[in-house]
Order: sequence, then structure tokens, then C-alpha cells
Amino acid sequence: GENVEQHPSTLSVQEGDSAVIKCTYSDSASNYFPWYKQELGKRPQLIIDIRSNVGEKKDQRIAVTLNKTAKHFSLHITETQPEDSAVYFCAASMGTGRRALTFGSGTRLQVQP
Amino acid sequence: GAVVSQHPSWVICKSGTSVKIECRSLDFQATTMFWYRQFPKQSLMLMATSNEGSKATYEQGVEKDKFLINHASLTLSTLTVTSAHPEDSSFYICSAWDHGRDTEAFFGQGTRLTVV
Repeated sequence: GENVEQHPSTLSVQEGDSAVIKCTYSDSASNYFPWYKQELGKRPQLIIDIRSNVGEKKDQRIAVTLNKTAKHFSLHITETQPEDSAVYFCAASMGTGRRALTFGSGTRLQVQP
Repeated sequence: GAVVSQHPSWVICKSGTSVKIECRSLDFQATTMFWYRQFPKQSLMLMATSNEGSKATYEQGVEKDKFLINHASLTLSTLTVTSAHPEDSSFYICSAWDHGRDTEAFFGQGTRLTVV
């Protein structure tokens, strides 16, 4: 089955700096790669996703890049704000509604004011 | 976006009792729903895939006789934790895709189960 590895496990940045979180996946059949932000006790919140026919996607301060050959994808957050502090999870799936997501281990992001 | 509602949000039960968690898709039909478990400071781990009208598919290491899944309609899947033990205490989250749009997975709000 799919295996997703995520690094780093914790990340502390100063407000205004950029944050980068990286994930690798093992199954070349995976074609859907979402990123989630999760606050304590809450459901995961989709912040951005990318499909394998695209190499990069951006939404305001958030961007995701995908390298299919190397089987890795990254989340980039620019101009970080204290409210960005949370746990972030990457995930991978084969992209249809009948396939589950395989999650990375998570990154705890702390943005220092 | 589509809405998935999970109930209850939290529950405390005694060891040996059973607890039922409901997951409903409110504005779309879901032939497939997924149940995840998340222990504190850990990731979401898939427990089982719930299929409407047929048996659920369980991940390796998940006891199907302990975690009973029923998906009797296109909008409702239930997870029953039977003979609960303290080690079953966890955050349980369901998820479903809106097949009409098939754009993203939608999550219930999760259920915090504490077994005492």
C-alpha cells in the first residue's frame, strides 16, 4: 500500500518568514495530494491540493509543488502569521472517491510573533 | 462545500460497554465512507472503508468484530466500538467524497471517545 513520509515533525518560524514542509510517497499510482491544517480536537481542514497533472499550485500565501518523478511534494507558506500555527498533514490517494487517503505523520508549525 | 456530520462529538463510556458513532453526508450521497482513528499527537490512520449495501473493508490489525461498521443507506455509516477498553480511547473521524463533484474528501467533525 501507499506510504507517505513527512518532514519535519516540528517547525518554528518567526512571523513573516516562510515555512516549507515536505512529503514523499511510495505508490506511483497516487495522483491526488492534499494538504490539511488541523487544530486541536478539530477535523482536518483542506488548505490546498494538487493533482498529478499539475506541477505547482498557488493560493495566496500557500503553494504546493509536486515532483512526480521523485515522488515528493511540498507545502510552502509565505508571510507566516501566528494564526498559521497548527498541525499540518500531507496526504496521498489515487484520487477517486472510492480510495482512502494515506496521511503523513504531521508537522507542528509554530509561528512566533 | 459538501457537509459531513458526525455524532456524537464526544462520549465517555465505561469499559466493557459499546458506543455507536454516526456519520452522515447531509447534502450528497456517499456509497463509500472512510473511518479513521487518531491517537493524541499522531496522524490519522485508516481503520476501515464502509461500503453501502455490502461489508466493510478493514485495514490490517483492525478487529472487525470489535469495530462494527454498518452502511445501510447512501447517507449514513455507523461505527460501533464494542466491549470498549481504555486503549480504544481516541479521536474517530469519518470521511466521504461527494461523487457528484469528486473534488475533495469531506470530514466529519470527529468523535472524542474516552473509555474509563
